[in-house]
Amino acid sequence: AQKVTQAQTEISVVEKEDVTLDCVYETRDTTYYLFWYKQPPSGELVFLIRRNSFDEQNEISGRYSWNFQKSTSSFNFTITASQVVDSAVYFCALSENTSGTYKYIFGTGTRLKVLA
Amino acid sequence: ETGVTQSPTHLIKTRGQQVTLRCSSQSGHNTVSWYQQALGQGPQFIFQYYREEENGRGNFPPRFSGLQFPNYSSELNVNALELDDSALYLCASRTGQNEKLFFGSGTQLSVL
Repeated sequence: AQKVTQAQTEISVVEKEDVTLDCVYETRDTTYYLFWYKQPPSGELVFLIRRNSFDEQNEISGRYSWNFQKSTSSFNFTITASQVVDSAVYFCALSENTSGTYKYIFGTGTRLKVLA
Repeated sequence: ETGVTQSPTHLIKTRGQQVTLRCSSQSGHNTVSWYQQALGQGPQFIFQYYREEENGRGNFPPRFSGLQFPNYSSELNVNALELDDSALYLCASRTGQNEKLFFGSGTQLSVL
């Protein structure tokens, strides 16, 4: 079955530290997408990045970077020089497309607290 | 801004009551899905609507039902509310060709 595991329940860092959020997934599909979303206290899911299963090129965007490794089924997310505004719950998600039904499988989230 | 709007923002109901949540999709998005997010958990897929018909459901009982209208707006109805239905309900929309879901800000439902 499709599954996303975020083993880190909560992480606390001091401002300006780097932090990596881990995500491990399981899927039978050969074509799929992986996503990271940020959920601040207001509740909305803010899209951060998507990767398709054929694109293992890692990327850096500002203070964010992603490490996608199919060999270990991992899709980790790093924030460099963290800021207080980065405090939120971060979700990793895996797409599943079965018989025309398209949905996300979410992990349980990692709560990031950045302390001033 | 995702262009997906949900109403109401917050709602308080008592056990046994019925509730209707509403979602207005982003323009041009013909597929809408609903997710339930319990406290401390990730969102769970409830069902998907395409062309006004349900075409996929997660592990939720029949008392969770929905509608999609010709303008692609949608409703989630929950009958016979239970305490465990207390959660954030998220609506998401997409076009058929786009793998990205656009989420609304959610409706926080509290069942007392």
